[in-house]
Amino acid sequence: KNEVEQSPQNLTAQEGEFITINCSYSVGISALHWLQQHPGGGIVSLFMLSSGKKKHGRLIATINIQEKHSSLHITASHPRDSAVYICATLLYNFNKFYFGSGTKLNVKP
Amino acid sequence: DSGVTQTPKHLITATGQRVTLRCSPRSGDLSVYWYQQSLDQGLQFLIQYYNGEERAKGNILERFSAQQFPDLHSELNLSSLELGDSALYFCASSKDYNYGYTFGSGTRLTVV
Repeated sequence: KNEVEQSPQNLTAQEGEFITINCSYSVGISALHWLQQHPGGGIVSLFMLSSGKKKHGRLIATINIQEKHSSLHITASHPRDSAVYICATLLYNFNKFYFGSGTKLNVKP
Repeated sequence: DSGVTQTPKHLITATGQRVTLRCSPRSGDLSVYWYQQSLDQGLQFLIQYYNGEERAKGNILERFSAQQFPDLHSELNLSSLELGDSALYFCASSKDYNYGYTFGSGTRLTVV
């Protein structure tokens, strides 16, 4: 089983702050996903990574395969970024997804 | 609108009953994934279909079954419902494993 650990569990930030959410996993994977779940429940897939770094707007995701670690960064955070961010791993044999417990982010104006 | 359509949005039913949740994937996507999100268990992967065939199975109970039809829409059947089956059920679609995923807005199932 691939344990997926996220930190922190809860994060409160002031608008404009730089935010980092971390995800660690225990076995080899083929890809890692970052998901955003809004307070209303809807889920948006932000990134799918198998190596390196990806950027979309103010969001940056990185992955270090050797260290089994990924980070999600939000630059110039905004109250609309308030959501739960979930890390999910897809194992090499493609038949298992494992989810982290999520990081609840609250950005205050 | 993400392009993935899930119906119904809300469902309230009694224990012991059977329900069917429906998912229409985004145009061009061949893979459909089903997930369950409950308060105590978080998100869990249930099952994946690719072009009509089951490709991967996660923590899906024997009381649950799914299928993907020739038009690529998928249905998740939940039977002998228990209170603990109350959860949000999400469907997602993608072209295949190495492509991005698009989630539907979910079906909130309440078993009373």
